[in-house]
Amino acid sequence: GAVVSQHPSRVICKSGTSVKIECRSLDFQATTMFWYRQFPKQSLMLMATSNEGSKATYEQGVEKDKFLINHASLTLSTLTVTSAHPEDSSFYICSARDQGQGDWETQYFGPGTRLLVL
Amino acid sequence: GQNIDQPTEMTATEGAIVQINCTYQTSGFNGLFWYQQHAGEAPTFLSYNVLDGLEEKGRFSSFLSRSKGYSYLLLKELQMKDSASYLCALMDSNYQLIWGAGTKLIIKP
Repeated sequence: GAVVSQHPSRVICKSGTSVKIECRSLDFQATTMFWYRQFPKQSLMLMATSNEGSKATYEQGVEKDKFLINHASLTLSTLTVTSAHPEDSSFYICSARDQGQGDWETQYFGPGTRLLVL
Repeated sequence: GQNIDQPTEMTATEGAIVQINCTYQTSGFNGLFWYQQHAGEAPTFLSYNVLDGLEEKGRFSSFLSRSKGYSYLLLKELQMKDSASYLCALMDSNYQLIWGAGTKLIIKP
């Protein structure tokens, strides 16, 4: 089945530093990947849609200069949280669609990255 | 706009059956998904319905009525490991997922 990995799984950083999170589709090519953020006891909030070879599409209220997204290949998208602050502490999850399959609509999720900014 | 409603929390007994309902309002519809999310983990795909009717997958079944804006997830022969949040998600006309708040299912022995 479609497998998505994320790295790192957990990161602790100091306020003001930048953190990069990688999302990889391991056994399929993904022209589109999605980045979500989830605060405790809340549902998933879509941050942006990452398109291979073009600029990401950000949701309203998400600062594109703070959350840099690069989708450089069909199997890799990265999210960089720049100048992280404690309020950016959250669970960041990526997902991808296996558009080579009949059920291309289904999003498969990476295991998530738990970010703690001190 | 879109709106999705599902119960916040439900409790059921091991071995029993539970039905988690999801109602929605949308101007564009390209399917409804159910995902399972254990605490501290990412969601895992359970089911996808785009046509009316019941889809059965082992102990889990999902039902959709587009005319009523209604779906349910049915879990049979409940096991303790089924304790999780169950997320209903609507795929809109732009093929983006709109997420419900999730239903926390508590299984008791």
